[in-house]
Amino acid sequence: GQNIDQPTEMTATEGAIVQINCTYQTSGFNGLFWYQQHAGEAPTFLSYNVLDGLEEKGRFSSFLSRSKGYSYLLLKELQMKDSASYLCAVRDPGSGYSTLTFGKGTMLLVSP
Amino acid sequence: DAGVIQSPRHEVTEMGQEVTLRCKPISGHNSLFWYRQTMMRGLELLIYFNNNVPIDDSGMPEDRFSAKMPNASFSTLKIQPSEPRDSAVYFCASTLNSGNTIYFGEGSWLTVV
Repeated sequence: GQNIDQPTEMTATEGAIVQINCTYQTSGFNGLFWYQQHAGEAPTFLSYNVLDGLEEKGRFSSFLSRSKGYSYLLLKELQMKDSASYLCAVRDPGSGYSTLTFGKGTMLLVSP
Repeated sequence: DAGVIQSPRHEVTEMGQEVTLRCKPISGHNSLFWYRQTMMRGLELLIYFNNNVPIDDSGMPEDRFSAKMPNASFSTLKIQPSEPRDSAVYFCASTLNSGNTIYFGEGSWLTVV
């Protein structure tokens, strides 16, 4: 099975940097994903890591350490519109198909 | 491009009634997923299909839940009879086998009273 942990909520100020951590314990691993979900909306894809290291995409970066079962999402130059839930998800290779197991999400509140 | 399309967006029903949720995946995608999201349990995978065939339904809560995919462009999730604890947002998502990104529909907000 899969166990994915991330903080329930975080707060930050507009313009600041915030790091959202995710730890996982899984029987297998074939990639870690981050999704963003605004209230009342569908989750949308942010980033994907399968190898160790940092993936940068604009204001958002994601890091992975497979040996530590650890990832983080880094958001720079925070904007009010970044207030949302951020979901960490692990892909299970056991089934041979692209199924994702999600953490419960971290609710980020950005204040002025 | 049209994304994953779900209907209804919102449904309020009485306990004991049958509920049918519908999904049209993105054209060309051959994997389809039904997820359920609640505050307590987060986003849980209920069932997924590949090439219209159910691959894993171990996440389906109980026999009251059933899902079908009669063709590549349509799937249903049925709850019969519905119970208040089924109240949740039900998301449908699709992807290509080899794709890295799962695309979600807007969700069906179900309230069972």
